[in-house]
Amino acid sequence: GAGVSQSPSNKVTEKGKDVELRCDPISGHTALYWYRQSLGQGLEFLIYFQGNSAPDKSGLPSDRFSAERTGGSVSTLTIQRTQQEDSAVYLCASSRPRGQGASEAFFGQGTRLTVV
Amino acid sequence: GDSVTQMEGPVTLSEEAFLTINCTYTATGYPSLFWYVQYPGEGLQLLLKATKADDKGSNKGFEATYRKETTSFHLEKGSVQVSDSAVYFCALRVGTSGSARQLTFGSGTQLTVLP
Repeated sequence: GAGVSQSPSNKVTEKGKDVELRCDPISGHTALYWYRQSLGQGLEFLIYFQGNSAPDKSGLPSDRFSAERTGGSVSTLTIQRTQQEDSAVYLCASSRPRGQGASEAFFGQGTRLTVV
Repeated sequence: GDSVTQMEGPVTLSEEAFLTINCTYTATGYPSLFWYVQYPGEGLQLLLKATKADDKGSNKGFEATYRKETTSFHLEKGSVQVSDSAVYFCALRVGTSGSARQLTFGSGTQLTVLP
């Protein structure tokens, strides 16, 4: 596609419910990243996918968070048993394959998650 | 670990004023440095970057110079416009352009330019 697409743009959920956030990266981008931006905070790295390699999950804050990437394209970030502290904007980014000027990441507009 | 510290906002300027947003970093390796901008209602966009010491990144009248001796990458613009109103993020990445490393971001600086 023309850019990184995220859905939904806004999500309000009750505490304890599970949510799924979707990211559709730019076509041909093999690297995909998830970040979280809490109010007044910088962007916090969550997880990174690169091609068929095992993902870097070092940023996931707890085992309630998981992500998968199907067919090397679309990614879903799942948060189980949501808590109020999970409220944030969740950003997805993608970049070109290694060796093709891969330093620049392109971001989606984010999903604003509110847990009530 | 790697970290980025940038000037806290919000920053409010009049049109045509000079802008500086400070950014300093700590990194375990030799980082590439970036400024991203987020306009209202839009996603983050790369504004400019520099990959080695003394490089100057520039775009849309904005400039930033990679200063290894002071571990800084301050963003400057000589004459801001209302359309520059946005949130600006300083970021770094350690590793080569092909390496699998994530970006580390600062907390962002909200800039508002008044007509």
